[in-house]
Amino acid sequence: NAGVTQTPKFQVLKTGQSMTLQCAQDMNHEYMSWYRQDPGMGLRLIHYSVGAGITDQGEVPNGYNVSRSTTEDFPLRLLSAAPSQTSVYFCASSSPGQGDTEAFFGQGTRLTVV
Amino acid sequence: AQSVTQPDIHITVSEGASLELRCNYSYGATPYLFWYVQSPGQGLQLLLKYFSGDTLVQGIKGFEAEFKRSQSSFNLRKPSVHWSDAAEYFCAVGAVGFQKLVFGTGTRLLVSP
Repeated sequence: NAGVTQTPKFQVLKTGQSMTLQCAQDMNHEYMSWYRQDPGMGLRLIHYSVGAGITDQGEVPNGYNVSRSTTEDFPLRLLSAAPSQTSVYFCASSSPGQGDTEAFFGQGTRLTVV
Repeated sequence: AQSVTQPDIHITVSEGASLELRCNYSYGATPYLFWYVQSPGQGLQLLLKYFSGDTLVQGIKGFEAEFKRSQSSFNLRKPSVHWSDAAEYFCAVGAVGFQKLVFGTGTRLLVSP
């Protein structure tokens, strides 16, 4: 049981490039979320999803797109990377319907935009 | 507005001494409270959580936390700190579903010999 898997683990982008951070979970969780972690700011919610086809914005959604075509996957897209998007990104999943009492986090993707 | 405050950015504790990390929250609904630990370059590890019932909850690695509704606090404690406890600690609050957690800014724990 792999849990929540994020790829890649590290990435360097040039300003203006696009990329997709991948997140996959194998626990059949309905809910998935993306957070970014910056020094001194903790983790902040970017986007979240409560099921396939349903997404919503979190606290810091600008510059990011998401979609949820399957239960398992929740990719985060940066259409035109900016240095301000240099951060560590965490994906999480949960399923209160299954009796879960916590969110499960991936190991993170460290993104540097130069 | 929903928020979590961790007033201490850094704390230094001698090995073997007791530890208390502070967390205050503001949340409109019934709060579900969490403490996570993050070692450098690593992901988040759940230490403990509180949903209801006994206000003193036990977690992994010898940590415990006490929920005080009247003070809107959920402080983390450990009676005797080990050098391996040096890490960053995050308090978080959310509602059932846990898809919209609100995190504090973290407290970095340094352990001195």
